[in-house]
Amino acid sequence: QKEVEQNSGPLSVPEGAIASLNCTYSDRGSQSFFWYRQYSGKSPELIMFIYSNGDKEDGRFTAQLNKASQYVSLLIRDSQPSDSATYLCAVIHTGRRALTFGSGTRLQVQP
Amino acid sequence: DAGVTQSPTHLIKTRGQQVTLRCSPKSGHDTVSWYQQALGQGPQFIFQYYEEEERQRGNFPDRFSGHQFPNYSSELNVNALLLGDSALYLCASSLHRGLYQPQHFGDGTRLSIL
Repeated sequence: QKEVEQNSGPLSVPEGAIASLNCTYSDRGSQSFFWYRQYSGKSPELIMFIYSNGDKEDGRFTAQLNKASQYVSLLIRDSQPSDSATYLCAVIHTGRRALTFGSGTRLQVQP
Repeated sequence: DAGVTQSPTHLIKTRGQQVTLRCSPKSGHDTVSWYQQALGQGPQFIFQYYEEEERQRGNFPDRFSGHQFPNYSSELNVNALLLGDSALYLCASSLHRGLYQPQHFGDGTRLSIL
């Protein structure tokens, strides 16, 4: 079992719709959770981070964390074609300071 | 405010050679982590430097080594290059190795081994 699992996609949504990206993690010692966006051929760009159960909103993005279910998600409202990218979920475990990444979900926003 | 900078951008080497990649952290950051990203995969942690010492290491062989300088910049060295070392090498910086500190990535160095 991988430590961080994501559906590879592609997830295809129409422009203006809500995109929902999901991530599960296996280690209950995971304490902080991050979403990175990576365009093809580019490096990961941090878009959201969350530490506590519940929702955290920043503009069109909402991160949701449920530690009991070991589940973290990212919602993108009013999706735009420029949101088309791979979204990487990453966690930091209590005993480590390194990011453990999932393999990413490719999002395609159709104009 | 300067972000994380990496050099070189691209590099082509042959098997058996050695390579050195460089990273300057974001202004105000003191911790540097290195990651390797193969095509279609998420980044894999190589090691992390703080206060000029390697603090943590991922599952990479001793051919991968590093250094951190007093100005917090860092180098990643890879000896005896293998074809499988071809990847995007990413440097990320953060503050004080904090559990809740976000890591910010540079643009990466794309290493190709022939």
